Amino acid sequence: DQQVKQNSPSLSVQEGRISILNCDYTNSMFDYFLWYKKYPAEGPTFLISISSIKDKNEDGRFTVFLNKSAKHLSLHIVPSQPGDSAVYFCAASLEYGNKLVFGAGTILRVKS
Amino acid sequence: DSGVTQTPKHLITATGQRVTLRCSPRSGDLSVYWYQQSLDQGLQFLIQYYNGEERAKGNILERFSAQQFPDLHSELNLSSLELGDSALYFCASSVGGTIDEQFFGPGTRLTVL
Repeated sequence: DQQVKQNSPSLSVQEGRISILNCDYTNSMFDYFLWYKKYPAEGPTFLISISSIKDKNEDGRFTVFLNKSAKHLSLHIVPSQPGDSAVYFCAASLEYGNKLVFGAGTILRVKS
Repeated sequence: DSGVTQTPKHLITATGQRVTLRCSPRSGDLSVYWYQQSLDQGLQFLIQYYNGEERAKGNILERFSAQQFPDLHSELNLSSLELGDSALYFCASSVGGTIDEQFFGPGTRLTVL
């Protein structure tokens, strides 16, 4: 039962352009969403989060958008840099609880 | 470097065996979480300990068990290993007991032959 889905296994973007990573979820009770970035041979690193009471959260080059009616969130990276090349995981939790439900990840490649 | 350490980095063992994975959280963090990442899968939450007590349980098999010791390090014990248990096992830690930022260790890659 995949409650959090990242349907694009990979994405390739030119340096300087926008990267858009998408995530869909099925459980309408999720109320907190996070994005993690993972480089090879390292553990995931927290990137940005959003509460279900918001529809947008910005942190520098990273913006997360939440569309509750569509049960969809996206991560925008502008401008994309080669160092952004990594696997990006979307995650969701219930009632600010402890259990994070992760998507399968999207590999982002930023070409210079 | 997240400050979370995991040992060993790699582990190769045979079916039916038992292994122990170890995690040391960041200094000051009271919570430890264990996750399993199988091939092409997202991270699956296994279990959380907070200050020595089990706080939350996810999709953890009965063959698996964990504990958190008084010095706050944690061990994940995997027994009667099967081929399907081959995966990356991540430990994460956080200051409190609910969702704040979780800091992940580099993982232990377990291969069951």
